[in-house]
Amino acid sequence: AQSVAQPEDQVNVAEGNPLTVKCTYSVSGNPYLFWYVQYPNRGLQFLLKYITGDNLVKGSYGFEAEFNKSQTSFHLKKPSALVSDSALYFCAVRDGKGIGTASKLTFGTGTRLQVTL
Amino acid sequence: DAGVIQSPRHEVTEMGQEVTLRCKPISGHNSLFWYRQTMMRGLELLIYFNNNVPIDDSGMPEDRFSAKMPNASFSTLKIQPSEPRDSAVYFCASSHGLAENNEQFFGPGTRLTVL
Repeated sequence: AQSVAQPEDQVNVAEGNPLTVKCTYSVSGNPYLFWYVQYPNRGLQFLLKYITGDNLVKGSYGFEAEFNKSQTSFHLKKPSALVSDSALYFCAVRDGKGIGTASKLTFGTGTRLQVTL
Repeated sequence: DAGVIQSPRHEVTEMGQEVTLRCKPISGHNSLFWYRQTMMRGLELLIYFNNNVPIDDSGMPEDRFSAKMPNASFSTLKIQPSEPRDSAVYFCASSHGLAENNEQFFGPGTRLTVL
């Protein structure tokens, strides 16, 4: 079974400071990892994904995430937060066992990011 | 380029009534997913289709829920009869196939309130 954990319900950071939103995962095969962002009254929007290769993945809006296999983590980061980054962030994982057999994308419970002036 | 389209955006109905939610996936995407989001349970996958065929409906909560995909450009999620505990935001998402590295693109959601 695959699972993902986001240990923080909310993260508060001042504008201009670096931010980190944490995510850990559990899969039996190779992990395929995703980050999504949800703004109020909107659907989830894809930010970035890790499939294979470089452990540091760059995505939209200046966000990046670091895959750490030994710690089974995929934390989302941004060097300098903006007030407009305030939103709900979801980490998701899919177990890379094979096409069709494990196509479910399992989402975490979400972390609310609050960036203040 | 249009994204995933859902209708209606808001639905308010009374307990016992039938509710039909609609989704048009992104053109060219052949996988479609229905999710439900609530404060208590977070984001739950209800059912997903590949090439118009239901692949896994194990997330459908009860027999009151049913979903169809009659063609590649349209899907419905029906609740009959509806109950207050069905109140949630229902999202439709689509992707280009079921390969593990394919991201899903979400629609804006339908906010359902059952009184």
